[in-house]
Amino acid sequence: AQTVTQSQPEMSVQEAETVTLSCTYDTSESDYYLFWYKQPPSRQMILVIRQEAYKQQNATENRFSVNFQKAAKSFSLKISDSQLGDAAMYFCAYRSAPGNQFYFGTGTSLTVIP
Amino acid sequence: DTGVSQDPRHKITKRGQNVTFRCDPISEHNRLYWYRQTLGQGPEFLTYFQNEAQLEKSRLLSDRFSAERPKGSFSTLEIQRTEQGDSAMYLCASSPTGGELFFGEGSRLTVL
Repeated sequence: AQTVTQSQPEMSVQEAETVTLSCTYDTSESDYYLFWYKQPPSRQMILVIRQEAYKQQNATENRFSVNFQKAAKSFSLKISDSQLGDAAMYFCAYRSAPGNQFYFGTGTSLTVIP
Repeated sequence: DTGVSQDPRHKITKRGQNVTFRCDPISEHNRLYWYRQTLGQGPEFLTYFQNEAQLEKSRLLSDRFSAERPKGSFSTLEIQRTEQGDSAMYLCASSPTGGELFFGEGSRLTVL
């Protein structure tokens, strides 16, 4: 099974500053999808951003962007202009292109300091 | 816009009792997943349906766990003879073919 590793259990950032969350994964496949999900306290998990492995261009969604390094099997999330509402658990996830299972990392708890 | 809904949101039960959780996916989604999440951990895959067919089940899943998705609509997850180690958040998610997961708010189980 594929493994997804998030090596930062906790991170903090000052409001309006930029923070980067790390994620690495292990796979022998060439075609797959990567995701970042956000889980606010006591609320449902929602998709932040997704990246198709065949696309060289890094995905961006407003203040959220990724740095996808396919050879290094690295997929980091950058949050710019951090807001109090960004405080949450962030999970990195992997799905192979033909597959159906999603594999999740253990998460990074992000605190935003006012 | 109706998202994924789960019921009940919280369940407290005594060890040895049976519990059942229900998930109503987004109506046009043909895939439905069940995950278990414990504190400080990421979601752990339990099982997955495409329409009414249960296509995959985690090898870690005890035979006390069973899931159904009759007629490819809502799904139920039943845990028989609950144990304290079953205490967790049970997450349901649905997706269209090839798409991302849309999660419900989860059903929190506490086994006393």
